[in-house]
Amino acid sequence: EVVTTQSPVTLSVSPGERATLSCRASQNVRTNLAWYQQKPGQAPRLLIHGASTRATGIPARFSGSGSGTEFTLTISSLQSEDIAVYYCQQYNNWPPWTFGQGTKVEIK
Amino acid sequence: EGQLVDSGGGLVQPGGSLRLSCAASGFTFRSYEMNWVRQAPGKGLEWVSYISSSGSTKNYADSVQGRFSISRDNAKNSLYLQMNSLRAEDTAVYYCARVNGYLDYWGQGSLVTVSS
Repeated sequence: EVVTTQSPVTLSVSPGERATLSCRASQNVRTNLAWYQQKPGQAPRLLIHGASTRATGIPARFSGSGSGTEFTLTISSLQSEDIAVYYCQQYNNWPPWTFGQGTKVEIK
Repeated sequence: EGQLVDSGGGLVQPGGSLRLSCAASGFTFRSYEMNWVRQAPGKGLEWVSYISSSGSTKNYADSVQGRFSISRDNAKNSLYLQMNSLRAEDTAVYYCARVNGYLDYWGQGSLVTVSS
């Protein structure tokens, strides 16, 4: 089973500043990694797939990078509506689909 | 655009059973694999079960193997999760999700509470 580990657990960022979230996989998952955003009381929403491809309708301030075992989600200029928990998920080796434990993004 | 609507959650006693449903619309349901994913209160996301587009292949997380059963009815554009021998630790919001490798469409979730 591929274990995905996210850091940090909580990230406090000022409005308009950059937010950088990390995800590490225990094995090479190539670029088969997705990022999801989950706001309180809502279902997760797909942000990024293929490590760097934005899903339909996702603003350009969200970008993904990385391959193999190290991945990054960047929010270039944090907006108030970006407050959420962000999860990474690998889909290179399944089952099981494995998720990171999440990074909570807060406004500083 | 695709849409998934979860239903069937509720309060059930330990050892009881419940059947969740997921109604799909806006895409060709029979062409897609599907997953169930759950989220315990205040916790992260946990994959529960997978079914192939034809229904011939099914996979389960170790935590639910032997107790849960996934199925689908492609004529009705519907996905199901039969949950038996429920435990307190099964308490969670259950989401159906369309598989494209990644999970691109999600239902709104159905809350299952296992408690006496």
